[in-house]
Amino acid sequence: SQKIEQNSEALNIQEGKTATLTCNYTNYSPAYLQWYRQDPGRGPVFLLLIRENEKEKRKERLKVTFDTTLKQSLFHITASQPADSATYLCALSNTGNQFYFGTGTSLTVIP
Amino acid sequence: DAGITQSPRYKITETGRQVTLMCHQTWSHSYMFWYRQDLGHGLRLIYYSAAADITDKGEVPDGYVVSRSKTENFPLTLESATRSQTSVYFCASSDFSGDTQYFGPGTRLTVL
Repeated sequence: SQKIEQNSEALNIQEGKTATLTCNYTNYSPAYLQWYRQDPGRGPVFLLLIRENEKEKRKERLKVTFDTTLKQSLFHITASQPADSATYLCALSNTGNQFYFGTGTSLTVIP
Repeated sequence: DAGITQSPRYKITETGRQVTLMCHQTWSHSYMFWYRQDLGHGLRLIYYSAAADITDKGEVPDGYVVSRSKTENFPLTLESATRSQTSVYFCASSDFSGDTQYFGPGTRLTVL
């Protein structure tokens, strides 16, 4: 079965730095990869979707890459702010409507 | 108000009881999903529905029943609750493209 791993349970960075989160997968060939943000006690909120034929996607301070050879996606937050502190989830699908989620990476941005 | 809502937000029940979690969306989205979220497992898909009267199993469907008689509603029933079903349950919806899933606020269920 597919396995999705997100880097280290918790990531702490200084305000203003770039945060880089990793999503690795095995036994799967997703056509779609999504990133979500989840705050404590709330449901996930969609951030970005990238398709297998797209290498990179950007939205404001966010950048996502998708390397189907390495079976990895990187999620970058540039000029990080304390308000970016949250758990970030990656989700993969090969159908576009049934996604498998990673366990998430908790990000803390230190002022 | 527009959006996706879940009820109840918190529920405590006993082993063996039947429990129904409600989900309602106002966007007329085609797809609706039920996930459970547990420490160490992340979000796991229980059931999903592509349209009214069309449902399909996800990763962890055992012990759960769903129905979708109306596009906007997608209730999840635990026919005989077990302690292992203690979890946070999230409902989500998306349009036919599946590009974006919109999640509800979640229901925290405790089975004693």
